[in-house]
Amino acid sequence: NAGVMQNPRHLVRRRGQEARLRCSPMKGHSHVYWYRQLPEEGLKFMVYLQKENIIDESGMPKERFSAEFPKEGPSILRIQQVVRGDSAAYFCASSPLESSYNEQFFGPGTRLTVL
Amino acid sequence: DAKTTQPTSMDCAEGRAANLPCNHSTISGNEYVYWYRQIHSQGPQYIIHGLKNNETNEMASLIITEDRKSSTLILPHATLRDTAVYYCIVRVAWGAQKLVFGQGTRLTINP
Repeated sequence: NAGVMQNPRHLVRRRGQEARLRCSPMKGHSHVYWYRQLPEEGLKFMVYLQKENIIDESGMPKERFSAEFPKEGPSILRIQQVVRGDSAAYFCASSPLESSYNEQFFGPGTRLTVL
Repeated sequence: DAKTTQPTSMDCAEGRAANLPCNHSTISGNEYVYWYRQIHSQGPQYIIHGLKNNETNEMASLIITEDRKSSTLILPHATLRDTAVYYCIVRVAWGAQKLVFGQGTRLTINP
């Protein structure tokens, strides 16, 4: 059973461009979480999604950021008009629907660099 | 979720037991203690969790005090690959919820 997959692993964008980060959860997992880790800082929750629904987006910046988890395909974290402050590692995690303990399995992350 | 307090950093000699403390004095009755770790630049990794009884798995042991206000993660025979930031998180177990990471403890295993 493959783990959580994220791509690309590294992404370089210039200011004003769009960044699309993809996350494929573990097989059978229907819950996806996105976290951001700014340089030299801790992990911060951004958004929690189930298939086709956003459940908790309390950690998402109000502008330029959006996330989706369609019925088919990976979850996408989209950042429009990127700025240098968006440079960070973005981690995706997934958990199964029926987990009793809600253990979250993390992917390797996407490192976004904004020039 | 209850707040946790951990030392900023710790050192341990390779082959020795690493004991990482965590204080969670405001923990409520339905909250579990979870431990994750993040090895440099990698995604966090689940280690262990518990409610009130001591727990052990292939990675570590978790000792929770009787009043549940603190706990200790024990890596019985630390190796260099255990060098990482260790996060103690308190939260309810049931239901899908976000993880709230603090600053964690940066554990360095020395040869």
